[in-house]
Amino acid sequence: GENVEQHPSTLSVQEGDSAVIKCTYSDSASNYFPWYKQELGKRPQLIIDIRSNVGEKKDQRIAVTLNKTAKHFSLHITETQPEDSAVYFCAASMSFISNFGNEKLTFGTGTRLTIIP
Amino acid sequence: DTAVSQTPKYLVTQMGNDKSIKCEQNLGHDTMYWYKQDSKKFLKIMFSYNNKELIINETVPNRFSPKSPDKAHLNLHINSLELGDSAVYFCASSQSGGSIYEQYFGPGTRLTVT
Repeated sequence: GENVEQHPSTLSVQEGDSAVIKCTYSDSASNYFPWYKQELGKRPQLIIDIRSNVGEKKDQRIAVTLNKTAKHFSLHITETQPEDSAVYFCAASMSFISNFGNEKLTFGTGTRLTIIP
Repeated sequence: DTAVSQTPKYLVTQMGNDKSIKCEQNLGHDTMYWYKQDSKKFLKIMFSYNNKELIINETVPNRFSPKSPDKAHLNLHINSLELGDSAVYFCASSQSGGSIYEQYFGPGTRLTVT
């Protein structure tokens, strides 16, 4: 099955600096890579995702890059703000057109990001 | 309007008891999931249902029995609770059909077994 590794497990950055979180996956058939943000005591929420036919995607201060050959993808947050403090999870999944409901997300182990004011 | 809701939010019970968690989504999605998040924050899928049919059943003890009465509801019943079952259980939903859509998570149910 799929295995997703995520680094670092904790990350502290000064407000205004950039943060980078990296993930690797094992199954070359995976084609969908979402990133979820989980604030303390809250539900995970999707912040950005990328599909395997795209190398980079950007949404305001966050961007995700994907290297299919190396099987790794990264989350970049620029101009960090205190409200970016949370646990971030990467995930990988395969899309099965004929097998509805089998879109199993395999999550990384999470990165606790702390923004220092 | 709450997209994915779960009840109860907190559940404290003793070892050996049986308990249920309920989940409802009003997004019109056809697929629902149960995830377990342990004390180290690791998120792992347990089950998925598509239109009331069980699709994913990870290696979960058969003390855990999901039930989907319709595609908007997915319940989780746990028999003979053990200390190791203490975790936060998240329900999620998505719309399948040829590509992967966002999975929307519920607020979670914190289960504590004493």
